[in-house]
Amino acid sequence: EVQLVQSGAEVKKPGESLRISCKGSGYSFTSYWISWVRQMPGKGLEWMGRIDPSDSYTNYSPSFQGHVTISADKSISTAYLQWSSLKASDTAMYYCARQGDWFDPWGQGTLVTVSS
Amino acid sequence: QSALTQPPSASGSPGQSVTISCTGTSSDVGGYNYVSWYQQHPGKAPKLMIYEVSKRPSGVPDRFSGSKSGNTASLTVSGLQAEDEADYYCSSYAGSNDYVFGTGTKVTVL
Repeated sequence: EVQLVQSGAEVKKPGESLRISCKGSGYSFTSYWISWVRQMPGKGLEWMGRIDPSDSYTNYSPSFQGHVTISADKSISTAYLQWSSLKASDTAMYYCARQGDWFDPWGQGTLVTVSS
Repeated sequence: QSALTQPPSASGSPGQSVTISCTGTSSDVGGYNYVSWYQQHPGKAPKLMIYEVSKRPSGVPDRFSGSKSGNTASLTVSGLQAEDEADYYCSSYAGSNDYVFGTGTKVTVL
């Protein structure tokens, strides 16, 4: 079974750093891009960017470029999304998804709460 | 890149059909056959329902169908069932290695 399993919920303070993870299994991890998608409370889906795990080449949405960093470690089939300085507006659910010309499957989501 | 435009809500009685539109531009929906649709139940991760405009992944009921005309894609759910009540999002490739989602539509089964 193709599966993406994300790390658990996080509660952070503004200004703190954070890295969340997404581990793939059941398929060749280096054969598909991994995308990250944000869903703010009560809102829709927003594509943030993606990484090719085979060579760590990345694309970012202009809306998120410079605000987050996407990385991957193909040796452990894991992709990451990280922030160097969190803001309250980063509070959201974050999903990873395997990407072809579609997004499937999706991870279960990681809830990030940023509050002082 | 602006979000694709979907109606906020749609509804139908069990057994009826509902169609959701997804309007973009010639730079996204109209320019590529890479439109996909996702179903999201409350508190759950999205699930792929349609890809490449009209293709159904294995396991998705044939009650779900997709189409496209110009800059507007559509998802039709025929023979509505209670479990179809969910939020639905379209997505499209937008060129230059960019992707965009729709604003989302809440489908209610009356």
